[in-house]
Amino acid sequence: ELKVEQNPLFLSMQEGKNYTIYCNYSTTSDRLYWYRQDPGKSLESLFVLLSNGAVKQEGRLMASLDTKARLSTLHITAAVHDLSATYFCAVDSGTYKYIFGTGTRLKVLA
Amino acid sequence: DTGVSQNPRHKITKRGQNVTFRCDPISEHNRLYWYRQTLGQGPEFLTYFQNEAQLEKSRLLSDRFSAERPKGSFSTLEIQRTEQGDSAMYLCASRMSGGLGTGELFFGEGSRLTVL
Repeated sequence: ELKVEQNPLFLSMQEGKNYTIYCNYSTTSDRLYWYRQDPGKSLESLFVLLSNGAVKQEGRLMASLDTKARLSTLHITAAVHDLSATYFCAVDSGTYKYIFGTGTRLKVLA
Repeated sequence: DTGVSQNPRHKITKRGQNVTFRCDPISEHNRLYWYRQTLGQGPEFLTYFQNEAQLEKSRLLSDRFSAERPKGSFSTLEIQRTEQGDSAMYLCASRMSGGLGTGELFFGEGSRLTVL
């Protein structure tokens, strides 16, 4: 059964710093999605990665996918307070069932 | 169309009561998903529909849970004889059919259930 793991689970960082969140998954898939969730809110789509080597960037966030390593990264550049949220990756299991990671709770300190 | 709509947004009930949640997906989306999320955890897959057909159910979905999607439009998730462990956020999501779009799920605002 597909398992999706993220690390770190918690991340506290200073404004202006860079950091990377990792998403590992256990079985072959070439579709991976990143979502953001603010406290008490639902999930907002950030990135859609559909092939090996895919890279997407939006503002201070950049996501990439390595299907051979079964790894996706979400890189944060020069963090700002507004990026504080929980970030989830999700993998298409191949049967249209999406498995979500454990989430990374990011707190950006001023 | 304003996106996926869920109601009620909040439901407080006593243990043993039945509750029903409704989800209206984005109109052109034929796939509809239900997830459950507890505090500090990622969304857990419950079930999904393609049109009116329920294609997969999680083992998390006990006999007390039932989901329907009559006519392939809105969906309902019913929980019978609620237990305190059912307290969670129930999320609905929809997407376009398999060969269309990117496979991205669009989520509703969720229905938060509290069982006393």
